[in-house]
Amino acid sequence: GQNIDQPTEMTATEGAIVQINCTYQTSGFNGLFWYQQHAGEAPTFLSYNVLDGLEEKGRFSSFLSRSKGYSYLLLKELQMKDSASYLCAVQDSNYQLIWGAGTKLIIKP
Amino acid sequence: DTAVSQTPKYLVTQMGNDKSIKCEQNLGHDTMYWYKQDSKKFLKIMFSYNNKELIINETVPNRFSPKSPDKAHLNLHINSLELGDSAVYFCASSQESVASGSTTDTQYFGPGTRLTVL
Repeated sequence: GQNIDQPTEMTATEGAIVQINCTYQTSGFNGLFWYQQHAGEAPTFLSYNVLDGLEEKGRFSSFLSRSKGYSYLLLKELQMKDSASYLCAVQDSNYQLIWGAGTKLIIKP
Repeated sequence: DTAVSQTPKYLVTQMGNDKSIKCEQNLGHDTMYWYKQDSKKFLKIMFSYNNKELIINETVPNRFSPKSPDKAHLNLHINSLELGDSAVYFCASSQESVASGSTTDTQYFGPGTRLTVL
């Protein structure tokens, strides 16, 4: 079967750095997305990786290793507004998005 | 300015009723989707649709049916509502009619409709 694993919840301190991991087992791979979802709101696109390596976009970076079926989202200089759920999603061989259950990130002052 | 909009935002109804949720996107995208997000926050794809193909998640009961009057709209009709249908329903859209494994497959989500069945 197809499976996306992420930690359920993480806690970090304002100003610090946090890494949210995602491992996947899917039938084929055509890219990995990270989305942010604040409570009661819609998911919004953060990043896309299809090749191995690190993609940096401001305070957020996303890394992919296809051979390991692994990705992480790195958030630097954490702000209180970064408190949200972070969803990992993988496109399989049919270009269907397989979603993880999300990681709830709690930022403390 | 709203890219993907849904109405209503909240819907409270009795078991057994029939209801519809509307979705419109003004991004010029070719593909639209409906998702269900349950209390555990897990996003489950229900349908994806472009002007050529409707893909139905086989686990979705046939009480749910998408209807697309045009490329910019994909409405969700639900017949004989059940308690387990209570969830947040998200509409989304993406640029390409054929997925390409690129950022053009990025999905943009509407604000969601919180459905409560009593």
